[in-house]
Amino acid sequence: KAGVTQTPRYLIKTRGQQVTLSCSPISGHRSVSWYQQTPGQGLQFLFEYFSETQRNKGNFPGRFSGRQFSNSRSEMNVSTLELGDSALYLCASSYGLAGADTQYFGPGTRLTVL
Amino acid sequence: GDSVTQMEGPVTLSEEAFLTINCTYTATGYPSLFWYVQYPGEGLQLLLKATKADDKGSNKGFEATYRKETTSFHLEKGSVQVSDSAVYFCALSETGFQKLVFGTGTRLLVSP
Repeated sequence: KAGVTQTPRYLIKTRGQQVTLSCSPISGHRSVSWYQQTPGQGLQFLFEYFSETQRNKGNFPGRFSGRQFSNSRSEMNVSTLELGDSALYLCASSYGLAGADTQYFGPGTRLTVL
Repeated sequence: GDSVTQMEGPVTLSEEAFLTINCTYTATGYPSLFWYVQYPGEGLQLLLKATKADDKGSNKGFEATYRKETTSFHLEKGSVQVSDSAVYFCALSETGFQKLVFGTGTRLLVSP
C-alpha cells in the first residue's frame, strides 16, 4: 500500500504571498490531520478532517485553513505569509476517529518564507 | 490542557549500550500513548503505541509500558545501534480525537 504523499516537498515563498499544500492519504483512510514542525515550537496540531468536515482545529490564526475532498485528499492554505510560517508541514492519515488509531505521516512539505 | 514532557537531549551513547528516554504526560482522560521516530529529512514513523494502562508496546527491540500510576511511558532498548540515531517523540491522543500532542523530542546519537 502506498504511504501518505505530500506535494510539493519544498516551497520558497515571499512574505505576503499565499501557499497551498496537498496531501494524499493512504488508500482507505478517511481522517487527515495537519501539523506544523518548527525548531522553536516543535510539533503543533493545525487541524483534522474526516469525511470532508473539520473536526478539530489547533491554536493558529485564521490565515491557516484547510479542506478535504470526497476522495479524502486534503489541502491546507496559508494566506499572507509571514517569516514565522517557515516550517515543515506534516500531514498524517488514519483509518478512523478513535484516538488509538495510528496516524501515518507523510514526508512533509518544507516551506521557506523570505 | 494535555501535555507531554520528555527528557532533554541529545542523548549520546556507544553502540550496544542500554537506552532509556523518559516521557511523562498530563491528560484529563485516558489517552493512547505513542512513540514516533524521525530520521533526518523525513517525516515521522510510528515506533510503538499503547492504548490502555499496563499495555506494553514493542517494536524493533524498543519497548515502552503505559504506567497510569506514574503517568509515564518511558522508551527503552537493551542494545542500541548506530542506525537508531534519530529524534524520538513521545505523544498522546485523547479517546475519540485524532489530535496528537507531542513532546519536544529527544535526539539520540549512537557512536560505533
